[in-house]
This record gives sequence, C-alpha cells and structure tokens, in this order.
Amino acid sequence: SQQGEEDPQALSIQEGENATMNCSYKTSINNLQWYRQNSGRGLVHLILIRSNEREKHSGRLRVTLDTSKKSSSLLITASRAADTASYFCATVSLDSGGGADGLTFGKGTHLIIQP
Amino acid sequence: EAGVTQFPSHSVIEKGQTVTLRCDPISGHDNLYWYRRVMGKEIKFLLHFVKESKQDESGMPNNRFLAERTGGTYSTLKVQPAELEDSGVYFCASSPTSGWARPYEQYFGPGTRLTVT
Repeated sequence: SQQGEEDPQALSIQEGENATMNCSYKTSINNLQWYRQNSGRGLVHLILIRSNEREKHSGRLRVTLDTSKKSSSLLITASRAADTASYFCATVSLDSGGGADGLTFGKGTHLIIQP
Repeated sequence: EAGVTQFPSHSVIEKGQTVTLRCDPISGHDNLYWYRRVMGKEIKFLLHFVKESKQDESGMPNNRFLAERTGGTYSTLKVQPAELEDSGVYFCASSPTSGWARPYEQYFGPGTRLTVT
C-alpha cells in the first residue's frame, strides 16, 4: 500500500479556475510537503506544513492538513497555464530523526490548465 | 547558488552492463538523498546520506545497487549488473541539517533517465 495517494490522478481545468488536489497518507507524520514537477524537470518544493499546523498559505497556494483523517489538500487559486505540471505530496515520518529523513511520495496528480 | 546537479541526464545501457550516476548536492548541504521513479509508479526513496555516512539505506532494492559519498560532497550510485527493471528516473536531492522544530524541504536535481535494454 502507498503512504501518499493523490486524488484525482488527473485534473483538467480552464485558466483562471481554482484547482484542488487531495492527498491521503497512512502513518503518523512529522510534516507533509507538496512538490511540483514540470515535464522532464526535477521536483520543485512548493510548501511544507508541519503536523501541528492545520493550514498554510503561500501566494496562490493554500494547503490544509487534517491529521485525524491523515489527509491534506492543495488549492491553487486563479490557475495559469504555467501551473500545468504534476503535483506530489510527500510525507516525513514522525519517527524521523529531526525531519531530515527520506520522503514518501504519492503517485501524483497531473494538472492541465487549458488557456 | 548552483542547484543540485546530476550526470548524465540520460543513459542507455544493455542488460548486464554497469552504470554509475553522479549527484552534486548544493554546497553545504549535509543531507543527500537518492530516489527512483519507475514507469507508472510513485517516486521511491532509496537512501539517505548525512555527510559521508549512510543514515538510511532501507530503500535500496538489492545488492546490485551501491551508493557512495566520499568526503561528504558528491555522491555516486552504481548499478551492477543492470537489469531491465532498473529502468526509470533516478533523482538526487539535498537539504541542510535540520531538527524536528525546523524541518527543511529537499532540493531536487533534474534526474537521470536510465534505460536498460
């Protein structure tokens, strides 16, 4: 079974609309992170939310975390064509030695923004 | 400041051959990670170095994979002998030293696409 599973697997919306992606995980975590990958490129860190936080904002991004449901959501507001990419949630286990352990990724959501 | 770099960007080898991937982390980052994504699957953690020491290698698939980080700077990942199922994209990432109260994000390289034929 996978630690992080994103939902939906693919999402296509019109430019200007909001995009919401969800992530579920199975174990207790230290923190949860969202990454973006543009085609053929490396992963870019978007936002990190700690286990004792419930919501975090960064520009057009809003992340929520519900540790009781072991789930997180990423909202991108006022989407742009440049937001077209794959988005991954990744978790760091609560047992990690200070939050610097390997990440556990989900399969990702492929987001397409149509102009 | 230069980001994480990986070499080569793409490697095509035959089954049974040896391939060595290289990762140069961001200068000053003690933590270095290797990940792999095979076709259609999620990105999987392989191992984690703290400076030159292997902190966690629980994700290494088998003993055909050998990772080193001599001197705590760049790292190499050798696959010997390569099998068809080793094909995928190998990512390297680095991060500064962190604590529970200040977790850091990881900075990823562009990846090396390995194709074993």
